[in-house]
Amino acid sequence: AQTVTQSQPEMSVQEAETVTLSCTYDTSESDYYLFWYKQPPSRQMILVIRQEAYKQQNATENRFSVNFQKAAKSFSLKISDSQLGDAAMYFCAYKGAQKLVFGQGTRLTINP
Amino acid sequence: DTEVTQTPKHLVMGMTNKKSLKCEQHMGHRAMYWYKQKAKKPPELMFVYSYEKLSINESVPSRFSPECPNSSLLNLHLHALQPEDSALYLCASSQPDSRYTIYFGEGSWLTVV
Repeated sequence: AQTVTQSQPEMSVQEAETVTLSCTYDTSESDYYLFWYKQPPSRQMILVIRQEAYKQQNATENRFSVNFQKAAKSFSLKISDSQLGDAAMYFCAYKGAQKLVFGQGTRLTINP
Repeated sequence: DTEVTQTPKHLVMGMTNKKSLKCEQHMGHRAMYWYKQKAKKPPELMFVYSYEKLSINESVPSRFSPECPNSSLLNLHLHALQPEDSALYLCASSQPDSRYTIYFGEGSWLTVV
């Protein structure tokens, strides 16, 4: 079975600084997709960024980028120029042939 | 703004009540999901409908009964719930193939008293 591990239960960063959230996963599948979702206090699960495993190029969405290391099964999220609105729980997720599998989440706090 | 709409946003029900959670999506997706999320935990998959047919039931107790009337609607019927069923219930949708992203609604907060 696939597993997703987020080793940082909590992180904090100063506003305008850069922060990196870690995620590792375990799978024997060759075709899969990786996601970072953000869940603010409003509780809606919002897609931040997505990476296809077959693509070598790291995905980027404005201030959000990933460092995808397929051999190491690592998928970290970098948030640049952190803003107060980035404060949320961040979930790393894996999607292969079966269901979406979530990590335990990292709570990100932005300090003004 | 979410394109997956859930109602009600909050629901308080007694253990003998019958209630329903509703979900609607207008993205043309043919797969819909129910997840349960407890505080400070990731969502847990409950049910998956693919092309309006139940394709996955994650061994959910029968007091939870899903229904997919058409490709845009998903219901979760609740009966004889327990206090430990209190949680955030998230509806989601996607195209059925594994390559497609799953999009979530805002959730329905359920409290069982």
